[in-house]
Amino acid sequence: QQQVKQSPQSLIVQKGGISIINCAYENTAFDYFPWYQQFPGKGPALLIAIRPDVSEKKEGRFTISFNKSAKQFSLHIMDSQPGDSATYFCAAVSGGSNYKLTFGKGTLLTVNP
Amino acid sequence: NAGVTQTPKFRVLKTGQSMTLLCAQDMNHEYMYWYRQDPGMGLRLIHYSVGEGTTAKGEVPDGYNVSRLKKQNFLLGLESAAPSQTSVYFCASSLVGLYEQYFGPGTRLTVT
Repeated sequence: QQQVKQSPQSLIVQKGGISIINCAYENTAFDYFPWYQQFPGKGPALLIAIRPDVSEKKEGRFTISFNKSAKQFSLHIMDSQPGDSATYFCAAVSGGSNYKLTFGKGTLLTVNP
Repeated sequence: NAGVTQTPKFRVLKTGQSMTLLCAQDMNHEYMYWYRQDPGMGLRLIHYSVGEGTTAKGEVPDGYNVSRLKKQNFLLGLESAAPSQTSVYFCASSLVGLYEQYFGPGTRLTVT
């Protein structure tokens, strides 16, 4: 069963626009929600993360919004740039399960110039 | 400080052949993980290790074996490769008690 559902599968945004990627989870034992960014031919790299006791976290142009009651979280990329074009994965972790990452299926973001 | 490295970067196998993928980290991390990435499937955990000499199964362990004889190395073995094991394999590591995992650059494996 898919424990972290991610949408959309792909997203095309114009330069300067806002990119929004959504994720939903089922397991309430998850206690850490990271987003990973992956460029072609590279490994995923941590972009930003949030814990469930916080509703929003912002780092530069990247913001995570977290809704604990709905078991949903989202990534917002403000002023999207062509260099942001990559695949984005949401994930969830439970510290009680040896910190294993459960990934969403990924969103391919294309930012057109 | 190289971080997480993986050897080889690319490999083509014939069905039934065996091979070992090597992951090495120089960050003194206790935890190490092997994932496979397939189009539209995200990354799925194959096996993981919480310390030298320990291993455990992840979400998709069938057809793979692992060993962690040294803290800095985590080996992934395919005893009899199948076309369904065509994938990109990523290794990751993390410190005990910390959530952030650091990923290697990946190994692209094709089984014909």
